[in-house]
Amino acid sequence: AQSVTQPDIHITVSEGASLELRCNYSYGATPYLFWYVQSPGQGLQLLLKYFSGDTLVQGIKGFEAEFKRSQSSFNLRKPSVHWSDAAEYFCAVGAWNRDDKIIFGKGTRLHILP
Amino acid sequence: DGGITQSPKYLFRKEGQNVTLSCEQNLNHDAMYWYRQDPGQGLRLIYYSQIVNDFQKGDIAEGYSVSREKKESFPLTVTSAQKNPTAFYLCASSNEYTGELFFGEGSRLTVL
Repeated sequence: AQSVTQPDIHITVSEGASLELRCNYSYGATPYLFWYVQSPGQGLQLLLKYFSGDTLVQGIKGFEAEFKRSQSSFNLRKPSVHWSDAAEYFCAVGAWNRDDKIIFGKGTRLHILP
Repeated sequence: DGGITQSPKYLFRKEGQNVTLSCEQNLNHDAMYWYRQDPGQGLRLIYYSQIVNDFQKGDIAEGYSVSREKKESFPLTVTSAQKNPTAFYLCASSNEYTGELFFGEGSRLTVL
């Protein structure tokens, strides 16, 4: 079965600074990987996804993530954050096997300093 | 627009009462899911259904029930047996080929 770890519960960055949110996964084969964002009291919105091919994937709102198989990581990055990026971010891992459900990390809460 | 609609957005209930949360999708997805979200806990799977008239328990199914009589609808009942029902509930459906989840806006249940 797969698992996901987001080591940072909270991260605070200044507006305009760069951002990297960490995600490590465990899965025996090539996984599907996702990053979702959630604003308070809202549902989750997909930022980006990796299925195969180019290991650097671009998403919405200027986010990107890089799949590194050797490190079992899928870290999310943004070169310059905006105050509107303050939210909770979830990494998730899925599987080619339909019997394995998507598993979510516990989330990283991003705070932005003005 | 295609999407997932959850209702009600806010719900209050007294202890001992059952309550049903609605989830409707017009994405033509076969699979649908219910998650519970508590602060610091991430998303925990309650029930899921991969096809009409069939559903399976997730990780925390005790005290909950579901039905899947139509492809578009997957209601969740929080029964009086659920010991700590106050939470944020999220419904989702998934693309058959990629497993990508599409979420509703959530329903917040508060037990008084």
